[in-house]
Amino acid sequence: EIVLTQSPATLSLSPGERATLSCRASRSVSGYFAWYQQKSGQAPRLLIYDTSTRATGIPARFSGSGSGTDFTLTISSLEPEDFAVYYCQQRSNWLYTFGQGTRLEIK
Amino acid sequence: EVQLLGSGGGLVQPGGSLRLSCAASGFTFSSYAMSWVRQAPGKGLEWVSGIRDSGSTYYADSVEGRFTISRDNSKNTLYLQMNSLRAEDTAKYYCAKGELGAFDQWGQGTLVTVSS
Repeated sequence: EIVLTQSPATLSLSPGERATLSCRASRSVSGYFAWYQQKSGQAPRLLIYDTSTRATGIPARFSGSGSGTDFTLTISSLEPEDFAVYYCQQRSNWLYTFGQGTRLEIK
Repeated sequence: EVQLLGSGGGLVQPGGSLRLSCAASGFTFSSYAMSWVRQAPGKGLEWVSGIRDSGSTYYADSVEGRFTISRDNSKNTLYLQMNSLRAEDTAKYYCAKGELGAFDQWGQGTLVTVSS
């Protein structure tokens, strides 16, 4: 099983700032990699799939990058609605794992 | 519009069983992999089980041998049979549609509570 470790656990920033969220895998991810946003009381929403492709309707301020064991979600300029919990996820050989989440909070 | 409507959750005693259902609409259900993902109260997301369009099934180690995923393409419905339930299985269970290694559509979730 590939273990995903997200950092930081909590990120405190102000609207308009740039956010960089990291996800490190316990071994190289050769399959698919994705990012989700989850707001309180809601189901997760897919932001990025296949490492760097934005899902339908996701604003251009969200971008994904990475390869091997290190992946990054960047939000170029935070909007008030971006403060939420973010999860990374990988799929290898049809088995999926999620990271433990990064809480993005308003400073 | 894609809709995934989960049902079947509830309160069950340790060692008991429960079957979750997820009724899908708005897409060609038989053509897509589907999964169950759970979230314990106040915790993160955990993938539980998946089933491919071919019918091949996959499980997380934590549920292997206790849970069974299945699908009925004639009814556009996904199922999760959960046996030998434990307190640590308490969570909201989401059904999710698979696309390119990710989950692009999610149900609203159904709550399972395992307690005596």
